[in-house]
Amino acid sequence: QVHLQESGPGLVRPSETLSLTCTVSGDSITTSHWNWIRQPPGKGLEWIGYIHDSGRINYNPSLKSRLTMSLDTSKNHLSLRLTSVTAADTAVYYCARDPGDLPGDYLRLDFWGQGTLVTVSS
Amino acid sequence: SSELTQDPAVSVALGQTVTITCRGDTLRSNYASWFQQKPGQAPLLVMYSRNDRPSGIPHRFSGSTSGNTASLTITGAQAGDEADYYCNSRDRSGTHYVFGTGTKLTVL
Repeated sequence: QVHLQESGPGLVRPSETLSLTCTVSGDSITTSHWNWIRQPPGKGLEWIGYIHDSGRINYNPSLKSRLTMSLDTSKNHLSLRLTSVTAADTAVYYCARDPGDLPGDYLRLDFWGQGTLVTVSS
Repeated sequence: SSELTQDPAVSVALGQTVTITCRGDTLRSNYASWFQQKPGQAPLLVMYSRNDRPSGIPHRFSGSTSGNTASLTITGAQAGDEADYYCNSRDRSGTHYVFGTGTKLTVL
C-alpha cells in the first residue's frame, strides 16, 4: 500500500518561504507523477503542480514565479518551496500520486497524504 | 475563478439517483476525473476517464461526458455518499490542470 506523509512548519511569517516535504512509502518516487494540491480553509481544491523523476515539471501558472518542486530519490521524498508567502497562501497542503507514465487529460490522483495545515501569519 | 464550473450544492433522497455536473470548454476535448472529499479528510478518487472506477469504488458511481459537460452519477445514494465532489481536467491552455468549483452533496 502506498503511503504519503506531508511535514513542515505549521506557521510561516508573511514574505518568508514555505517549505514542505512529502515522504513516500510503498512506492518509488522514480516512477509516477508527484503532485501538490492545496485547499484554503472552507474553500475548494487548487492544483499547485507536479514533478516527475524524468525531469518533467508542470507548475500552476499563478504560482510559477514563487514555486520550486524537487525530488530526493535517496530519501524517497518530494519537496515544495513557495517564496514570498502571504495570507492567501494559508491552506491545507496535500501531496498526491498520479501513477501515469505520461500526463493525461486529467489527474488520476490515487493516493494522497493526510494534508498539513500551513498558516501564514505574523 | 475556476474554468470548470459545478453547482455549489445538490441534494438527493436516500436511495435515489443524483447527477453532479462539471462544465467547461476544456471538457470538449479532455476527459475528467472526480474526487470525493468528506470533512477533515483528503480527497478520494472515485472516477476517471470516460467511466473508470478505481478499485474499491462501488458500482453505484458512474461517469459520462457530453459536449462541454462531465457528469458523475450516483445510483441509489447512501448516507455515506454525503460529501464534497470535485472534478478535474486540463485548463483552457491545455497545459496545466484545474479543479472544478466543487459540489456539496446532501443525502436527505
